[in-house]
Amino acid sequence: GAVVSQHPSRVICKSGTSVKIECRSLDFQATTMFWYRQFPKQSLMLMATSNEGSKATYEQGVEKDKFLINHASLTLSTLTVTSAHPEDSSFYICSARDLGGLGSTEAFFGQGTRLTVV
Amino acid sequence: AQRVTQPEKLLSVFKGAPVELKCNYSYSGSPELFWYVQYSRQRLQLLLRHISRESIKGFTADLNKGETSFHLKKPFAQEEDSAMYYCALSNNAGNMLTFGGGTRLMVKP
Repeated sequence: GAVVSQHPSRVICKSGTSVKIECRSLDFQATTMFWYRQFPKQSLMLMATSNEGSKATYEQGVEKDKFLINHASLTLSTLTVTSAHPEDSSFYICSARDLGGLGSTEAFFGQGTRLTVV
Repeated sequence: AQRVTQPEKLLSVFKGAPVELKCNYSYSGSPELFWYVQYSRQRLQLLLRHISRESIKGFTADLNKGETSFHLKKPFAQEEDSAMYYCALSNNAGNMLTFGGGTRLMVKP
């Protein structure tokens, strides 16, 4: 299947700093990318849906000024956690939707980023 | 290492027919398993999780540790069930979620 690469896989940052997470679709073009957050022993929580060239759509309760999403090209979306706090520590997962072919609605997932704010 | 396998990429059935979407996993610890669904042009959403042992939209899934399986079943498929279904496995620490490759279910009228 198609590959979505997420970087970094782990990051530790100090409270108050910003962290950028990249999500790349390596062998396909993705008009839509999704950002999820997973808390320990819980399911994924969709944070936002990112469409190439337009503003992201945030789910209720997700602060768009805190979690900045940019989807400037069909192969790259970034999530920036601004002024990070310890409560932002979590596992963040992106997924991307393939444009063409059979199963073109299929979404592929990044490997996730473990963010720890100290 | 943990792994989730969904052997069927595409499953096509007629409306009213029974459906079984297969999921097998590999994990050395005690697994926590989920089924996620993605309808066309919609976000991925959780369908059910094995610890809840509940039935959602007529779907059920039983964890079979002997066979390391978590197959999703529905006795009578509906057209609105057409979607992508993902089986997922969480590790004990809860910080890694592994998804299967997904199965596209098409329910024909």
